[in-house]
Formats: sequence, C-alpha cells, structure tokens
Amino acid sequence: DGGITQSPKYLFRKEGQNVTLSCEQNLNHDAMYWYRQDPGQGLRLIYYSQIVNDFQKGDIAEGYSVSREKKESFPLTVTSAQKNPTAFYLCASNTGIGRDSPLHFGNGTRLTVT
Amino acid sequence: RKEVEQDPGPFNVPEGATVAFNCTYSNSASQSFFWYRQDCRKEPKLLMSVYSSGNEDGRFTAQLNRASQYISLLIRDSKLSDSATYLCVVRGGTNAGKSTFGDGTTLTVKP
Repeated sequence: DGGITQSPKYLFRKEGQNVTLSCEQNLNHDAMYWYRQDPGQGLRLIYYSQIVNDFQKGDIAEGYSVSREKKESFPLTVTSAQKNPTAFYLCASNTGIGRDSPLHFGNGTRLTVT
Repeated sequence: RKEVEQDPGPFNVPEGATVAFNCTYSNSASQSFFWYRQDCRKEPKLLMSVYSSGNEDGRFTAQLNRASQYISLLIRDSKLSDSATYLCVVRGGTNAGKSTFGDGTTLTVKP
C-alpha cells in the first residue's frame, strides 16, 4: 500500500540537541511538506519542496532545516536554535500544485524537548 | 487577521442533528479548497474537496462562495463517529503550492 511513513512516533530530546525527523513516501508525489501543530491550534507550514533538490521556507522556518536529495524522502532537522520545539510534527505530500491535489499526511511525530 | 478563519466551537449536538461549519479566507486568488477531519492526536485526513458548484458525499455537503470568500461544510444526520475537529484548507494564489489551514472547529456528537 502506498503512503507516507514518519518515524519515530514519539521522540524525546534534551534542550540544545539537534534532532532529525524522518519522512518517506512511496506515492510518487513530487511535493512534500512539513507542518507543526501545537495543542488547540491549526497546522503551520515549516518548509516545503515542490521538486527534488529544491525547497522553500514556510511561515515558521526559523530553527529548522530540511533536505530533498531523493523524491521519496524529506527529513526535517529541528535545531537547537528553535525556541519552542515541543510539538506534533506532520509530514505531507501531494502531486504538486495541481488544482485537485489534496495533501496526504503521515501519522506524525510527537517531539518533546526538556 | 488570519488567512483562514474558522469558528473554533465547540459544537455540541445530539445524534441525528444537522450542523454547519463556515470558514472564511482572505486571499481572493485562492484556487483550491478542502475540508479535513482530524481525530484527537491523529493526523488530518481528507474529508472532501470543495468545488464552485458545491458537492455532496453522503451526509456531507460542501459549498464555496467565491464572492464572499467563504466555504461551508454541512453534516446531516450526525453520528457519534462524526465527533472530531474539522479543518478548512485553502491553497493557491500568489504561492500556488502552499496550503493554509484554519485552526479547526471541534464537533462533539452526543447520544
């Protein structure tokens, strides 16, 4: 079955450490996205990539970095510069900017930084 | 002002009720519209796309009003399993690839 896999489901880190969240898709989608969700709030866009080796900042990119070396993979690194990293992180993909191209989500990674 | 705004609710309704959610968006150049459902501590899942002519999927009806820049979701004959948070999503305009989410409307259907 095609889908998006995020790992791990839960992640705990000490303050000051960088951490990388994995996102892999086998849907053959060109575009991939990272969102962050805080309790009681909607999703906020961190970074997105429309094609391999290219990505753009979203609304809250500070303290995060990404890479898109392969079509299937879009890892997100949460750096020590991110002031409040504890959140629910969601990776998504779609076929691109086409009109009827909804986002498909992975099941998320809950990051706790203490 | 947020790009996409929703009434946060919560909406508490009895089983069998009809409930409607509205969502307004600020970018008149937006081109694609969706409703997603999110269960507690889970990822959002696509409920339905929203088309200009309006569209229906079983008990769910979505409508788009471009002139007033809002979309709506109507749920008829509510079921206990409809309890969730419903997210409005808008995409397009100056940044065609970017999807913007509302904060969601929480629905609780009670027996």
